[in-house]
Amino acid sequence: GQQLNQSPQSMFIQEGEDVSMNCTSSSIFNTWLWYKQDPGEGPVLLIALYKAGELTSNGRLTAQFGITRKDSFLNISASIPSDVGIYFCAGRTQKLVFGQGTRLTINP
Amino acid sequence: DGGITQSPKYLFRKEGQNVTLSCEQNLNHDAMYWYRQDPGQGLRLIYYSQIVNDFQKGDIAEGYSVSREKKESFPLTVTSAQKNPTAFYLCASSTTLWETQYFGPGTRLLVL
Repeated sequence: GQQLNQSPQSMFIQEGEDVSMNCTSSSIFNTWLWYKQDPGEGPVLLIALYKAGELTSNGRLTAQFGITRKDSFLNISASIPSDVGIYFCAGRTQKLVFGQGTRLTINP
Repeated sequence: DGGITQSPKYLFRKEGQNVTLSCEQNLNHDAMYWYRQDPGQGLRLIYYSQIVNDFQKGDIAEGYSVSREKKESFPLTVTSAQKNPTAFYLCASSTTLWETQYFGPGTRLLVL
């Protein structure tokens, strides 16, 4: 079946640093979604991408729909303590498939 | 405010007991989903429903059951057949099947 490889699995950074994470697959997707999950809470939608090559921002977050339609990238600029959490990508064709998540830890 | 609610936040189950997790949405969404999340893991699909009175098994349906008698509600029952029920359970909904999903706050189930 379809699988998403999300990397890195975890990141330990200093406050103020920029963050980059990505999801890749051997399958083509027509929608990419990025969610953030705080501890003990449900995932919250950050950014939705619907077109190959699309670049969308939400505050300090920027996500891109890869031109091959097989990957997507999420960048966070100037990280702050409240960015801590788990970030999930999800790709959609016939159904929605989730990545395993990237756990972000920030040292103040 | 529109949204998805799950109750309770924490639930304890004794051996051999069935428990039911509630999920309600007032977003007027047709599709609803249940996921299981284990510590440090991603989301695994248990059951999904495209429309009222319809539901389908996901990837890990064994030991679980659902009903969809109302558009707003999609309760999940964890039966005694589920031998490892301790997990975080997430409910989600979308306008139509497999469109962008919005999640509830989750229920953490613990076995005594």
